Parts: sequence; structure tokens; C-alpha cells
Amino acid sequence: KQEVTQIPAALSVPEGENLVLNCSFTDSAIYNLQWFRQDPGKGLTSLLLIQSSQREQTSGRLNASLDKSSGRSTLYIAASQPGDSATYLCAVPAYGGATNKLIFGTGTLLAVQP
Amino acid sequence: DARVTQTPRHKVTEMGQEVTMRCQPILGHNTVFWYRQTMMQGLELLAYFRNRAPLDDSGMPKDRFSAEMPDATLATLKIQPSEPRDSAVYFCASGLVTRRDATNEQFFGPGTRLTVL
Repeated sequence: KQEVTQIPAALSVPEGENLVLNCSFTDSAIYNLQWFRQDPGKGLTSLLLIQSSQREQTSGRLNASLDKSSGRSTLYIAASQPGDSATYLCAVPAYGGATNKLIFGTGTLLAVQP
Repeated sequence: DARVTQTPRHKVTEMGQEVTMRCQPILGHNTVFWYRQTMMQGLELLAYFRNRAPLDDSGMPKDRFSAEMPDATLATLKIQPSEPRDSAVYFCASGLVTRRDATNEQFFGPGTRLTVL
């Protein structure tokens, strides 16, 4: 059974700092991994999707890497801003059977202090 | 600006009442998902549809929950009767799945915040 873990659970950094969020998954047989952002009281916004054949994806100040063999992904945020404050979730497809369901991590609550 | 829409955004009801939540997926998407989010359990998949057919509803309490897609532009999630433990945020998401057994990108709606008193 696929399990997804995110560390740290919460992170507070001063504005301008570069930071890394971590995501681990137990079953490396994944088709892709997706990073989401969730603002308080809002839905999820897709940030980046990395296919299993890719090592990383970049969007602006965000860079996500994927290492299937070790069951890890990282989300790197460069030059953090207060507007980056949100909960960040990673998700992978469940494998086997009805595989279009996503298994979500527990999330990392990020606070960027001005 | 294509996006998933959900109604209502907030619902407060009393225990035992019927609750219906609606979702309009992004036009052209062939897969629709219903998720529930609580502080204790995080995000859980309740059910999902492909081309309007239910593919998996194993995450849904069958005795009180039902999910349907009357047409390609509308998905509904119904709870009858509702209970306080159903209080949560219910998200709908849609995606275009182009390869069997592969989850492509999912786009989430803003959610329905349900409170059952």
C-alpha cells in the first residue's frame, strides 16, 4: 500500500531564503508525482507534475525533482516571498487496480516571514 | 479561464438532512474525482468517474453517500442522512486521462465546506 510522507510538517523562514520541502513515498512504481499548493480555506492548485521518466521540472522560482529509486521528491523554492506562505502537498497515483486515485502526503505548512 | 466550479461553497445543515454538492468539471476533461479533507484524515478520495462511469467508490460510505454524473458537465455527491462526522471540505477535481492506469494532472475546485450540526 502506497504511503506518502512529507517532512517537515511546518516550516517558517525569513523572506528571501531558499528552501526545500521533502516528499517520500513507499512504492517506487509511480507514473508521476504532483506538487500542489493549498491556501487557507481554498482548494488545491497544481504547481508541478513530474512524469516518471523525468528527473525534474521547473516553473519560475519552483523546481521539483524526482528520484524514483529512492522514493523521494523535493520541491525547491528560490528567494521565498510572503506570498509563498501556504500548505504544500505532494501526491502520487496509487498503483494497481483503479490507479487514477492520488495518494496525498500530509503536507508542509510554510510560513514566509516578511 | 477554464476551472472546476463547485456549489455550494458553504453548507450548514442539521443531522439527518440530505446534502447535495455539485461540481462542474473543466470542459473536455473525462475524469472527475470527489475528495474529502479533514484535519484528522487529510485528503481522501471518495469516488471517481471516467467518461461518466463510476470507476472506484471504495472510499465512500455506501450506506449514506452516493455519487453520480447525470451528464458530462455535472457531477453530484449526495449524503443522506448527514451526520456530524461528515463535516469536512469536499473537493471535486477533474482531469484528462489519456493513458490507461496513468493519472494525469488533476485540477481542483474550490471545495464545499460542509458543517453538520
